[in-house]
Amino acid sequence: DGGITQSPKYLFRKEGQNVTLSCEQNLNHDAMYWYRQDPGQGLRLIYYSQIVNDFQKGDIAEGYSVSREKKESFPLTVTSAQKNPTAFYLCASSIERGFRQPQHFGDGTRLSIL
Amino acid sequence: AQKVTQAQTEISVVEKEDVTLDCVYETRDTTYYLFWYKQPPSGELVFLIRRNSFDEQNEISGRYSWNFQKSTSSFNFTITASQVVDSAVYFCALSEGGGSEKLVFGKGTKLTVNP
Repeated sequence: DGGITQSPKYLFRKEGQNVTLSCEQNLNHDAMYWYRQDPGQGLRLIYYSQIVNDFQKGDIAEGYSVSREKKESFPLTVTSAQKNPTAFYLCASSIERGFRQPQHFGDGTRLSIL
Repeated sequence: AQKVTQAQTEISVVEKEDVTLDCVYETRDTTYYLFWYKQPPSGELVFLIRRNSFDEQNEISGRYSWNFQKSTSSFNFTITASQVVDSAVYFCALSEGGGSEKLVFGKGTKLTVNP
């Protein structure tokens, strides 16, 4: 089945620790995105990548980093500089670059602070 | 600047009732795209519909229908004869045309359909 796989489903971070959230897609989509969702809020864009080896900051990139070495993979690292990392993180992809195309989402990763 | 407002934070209905979820948007572009997504309790967002600014025709898909009115900058979503499986958070989103690198989401409306 084609889709987006996010792992782990739940993640706990200790003070001062970096953690990496995995996102893999087998849809052969060019573009991939990371969003953060806080309770009662809409989604906010962290980073996006329109093509391999290229990525752009979204609205709330501070304290996060990404890489796009392969078309199918777009991992997100939450660094210790992100002081309030507790949130639900969603990865998405779309068939081509730009925000006009529908996005397909993974099941999300819920990150909490220990 | 683009903005999406979903004024209804939560709605609760009884099964088989019709329900309308409101979405009002702001944009200075003449070319833009509007979306609705459904987020069930499992967490992933599911794409429901995309509409571009030049297509004002209303759309119906089974029990779902969408009413796009540029005059009032609204893109409302109606579920007819609601079912318990419709319980979810629904998001409206806006992307401006002209190569915009942004998709802006509303804060969502949580719909609960009670048996």
